[in-house]
Amino acid sequence: EIVLTQSPATLSLSPGERATLSCRASQSVSSYLAWYQQKPGQAPRLLIYESSNRGTGIPARFSGSGSGTDFTLTISSLEPEDFAVYYCQQRSNWPLTFGGGTKVEIK
Amino acid sequence: EVQLLESGGGLVQPGGSLRLSCAASGFTFSSYDMSWVRQAPGKGLQWVSTISGRGGNTHYADSVKGRFTISRDNSMNTLFLQMNSLRDEDTAEFYCAKGHGPGGFGYYMDVWGRGTTVTVSS
Repeated sequence: EIVLTQSPATLSLSPGERATLSCRASQSVSSYLAWYQQKPGQAPRLLIYESSNRGTGIPARFSGSGSGTDFTLTISSLEPEDFAVYYCQQRSNWPLTFGGGTKVEIK
Repeated sequence: EVQLLESGGGLVQPGGSLRLSCAASGFTFSSYDMSWVRQAPGKGLQWVSTISGRGGNTHYADSVKGRFTISRDNSMNTLFLQMNSLRDEDTAEFYCAKGHGPGGFGYYMDVWGRGTTVTVSS
């Protein structure tokens, strides 16, 4: 099973600041990685797929990069609605796996 | 509008069974892989199972293999999860989710339902 490790666990930032979230895979997943956002009481939302492709309707301030074992989700300038938990997910191998999540909180 | 609506959750004793359903609308259901993902209270996301568009291929997490069965009825645009031999650790919110596209893209989930709560407790 491919283990995805996200860091940091919590990121404390102010609106307007840049957020950089990391996801590291225990073995190469090529570019087969997605990012999701989840707000309290809501279902997850697909932000990024295949490492760097934005999902439908996702603002340009969200960007993804990386390949192999190291991936990054960047939010260029945090909006109030971006404070949430973010998960990465790989589709390279079965079973599909998610990372443990990074909480982006208001500083 | 693409929508997914789960139902069938509830309180069940350890060892019991439940059948979850997910009614889909707003897209050509049979063209997309569908998945179940769960989230234990206060915890992260855990993939449970995926089924191909025509239902011929299924995949399961090791933790549910042999106990859960995913299926679909494309004539009724409905996804199912039959859960047997339920354990305390199966307590979670269960989400159904639509695959993002053809091929491997189907293993990303681009539309999610609101979830149904399963509680396993004596």
